[in-house]
Amino acid sequence: GAVVSQHPSRVICKSGTSVKIECRSLDFQATTMFWYRQFPKQSLMLMATSNEGSKATYEQGVEKDKFLINHASLTLSTLTVTSAHPEDSSFYICSARLGRDYGYTFGSGTRLTVV
Amino acid sequence: AQSVTQLGSHVSVSEGALVLLRCNYSSSVPPYLFWYVQYPNQGLQLLLKYTSAATLVKGINGFEAEFKKSETSFHLTKPSAHMSDAAEYFCAVSRLLGNTPLVFGKGTRLSVIA
Repeated sequence: GAVVSQHPSRVICKSGTSVKIECRSLDFQATTMFWYRQFPKQSLMLMATSNEGSKATYEQGVEKDKFLINHASLTLSTLTVTSAHPEDSSFYICSARLGRDYGYTFGSGTRLTVV
Repeated sequence: AQSVTQLGSHVSVSEGALVLLRCNYSSSVPPYLFWYVQYPNQGLQLLLKYTSAATLVKGINGFEAEFKKSETSFHLTKPSAHMSDAAEYFCAVSRLLGNTPLVFGKGTRLSVIA
């Protein structure tokens, strides 16, 4: 139970284009989704927190106009990387906290490569 | 604010030897501590978590960790390393309550030598 389905798992896009990453909670309602970015051989850094029905909260240094987050329903949160550049190439992972045991569930991640 | 510090970005052990990965935390409230493993090009897998119950926590694949408040530590151990344990390990902390994110350490890469 408590699965977050993340798509796509891997995407290659051209510089200047936009890419949308989806995270769906399959068997629970996620009022909050956390979005992380992981550069090669580095740790996971929190980018933003999305809340259903309200604006996302971005961490310092993360451009909100570049990384658009939408959390329109209790089961879907999306991250759109706009006007992607090669330096945006990274591994993006979403996560939600579970109510029953205060644990966390993670999506399987999206490997974004911008060429 | 909460944070974790993982001592040693790379640890190398022989197959069959003890694995010890170190993690120290900083938290102004009772912490909720986790260890995750990540294999190359994959997502995160939960090894174990501490939730203020037993201080010695047993996880999957023979791993365990002990919460020591006096030392603000939550080190991960395994009595006998297997080749399949080679991966990146992350210690993470959050608040016990509230819809707050996990804060990850920088990670420790474990190599197992045959």
